[in-house]
Amino acid sequence: GQNIDQPTEMTATEGAIVQINCTYQTSGFNGLFWYQQHAGEAPTFLSYNVLDGLEEKGRFSSFLSRSKGYSYLLLKELQMKDSASYLCAVREEVNSGGYQKVTFGTGTKLQVIP
Amino acid sequence: ETGVTQSPTHLIKTRGQQVTLRCSSQSGHNTVSWYQQALGQGPQFIFQYYREEENGRGNFPPRFSGLQFPNYSSELNVNALELDDSALYLCASSLEGGTPLHFGNGTRLTVT
Repeated sequence: GQNIDQPTEMTATEGAIVQINCTYQTSGFNGLFWYQQHAGEAPTFLSYNVLDGLEEKGRFSSFLSRSKGYSYLLLKELQMKDSASYLCAVREEVNSGGYQKVTFGTGTKLQVIP
Repeated sequence: ETGVTQSPTHLIKTRGQQVTLRCSSQSGHNTVSWYQQALGQGPQFIFQYYREEENGRGNFPPRFSGLQFPNYSSELNVNALELDDSALYLCASSLEGGTPLHFGNGTRLTVT
């Protein structure tokens, strides 16, 4: 099994930068995802890290340290439309079952204010 | 490329009834996962199907069951509905061993 922790809520100002942290404990780690979910909608894929380091995609970047069980999502030049929940999800190989499972954290609700 | 589609979008059932939710996976994807998402929570893994067989299951009782068909579409069945089963049910498709999950828009189930 695994444990995924992320802050419940964050508030940031339009135009600013915000960092959302995620820590996890798992065996058989095989990748970490970040998803964005607007209220009442399905999660949409933002980024994927499987090796240590920073992945950049426009205004969004994600960082991974496997040795520390730590990741963060960095959002730059915040816009009002970035108000949403951000879900950290970890994929692990379940050796006993011979398959890969993706487990989600509870999500961080980000509010962007003017 | 066709995305993941789910039906119905909303459903209201009475405690004790049975429900079937449907999902068509994204074109080319052979793995389907089902998640339950309660309000304010992250998605909880129910189970996963690969090549028509369940190959992984979360902490859900046997009254949650499913099927995957040769075209990789899938069904989630829930028997003996309880009030706590009220949630958003999300279907996600992927390629085994590789790609990110791609989610459908979900089915909002309300049990009264």
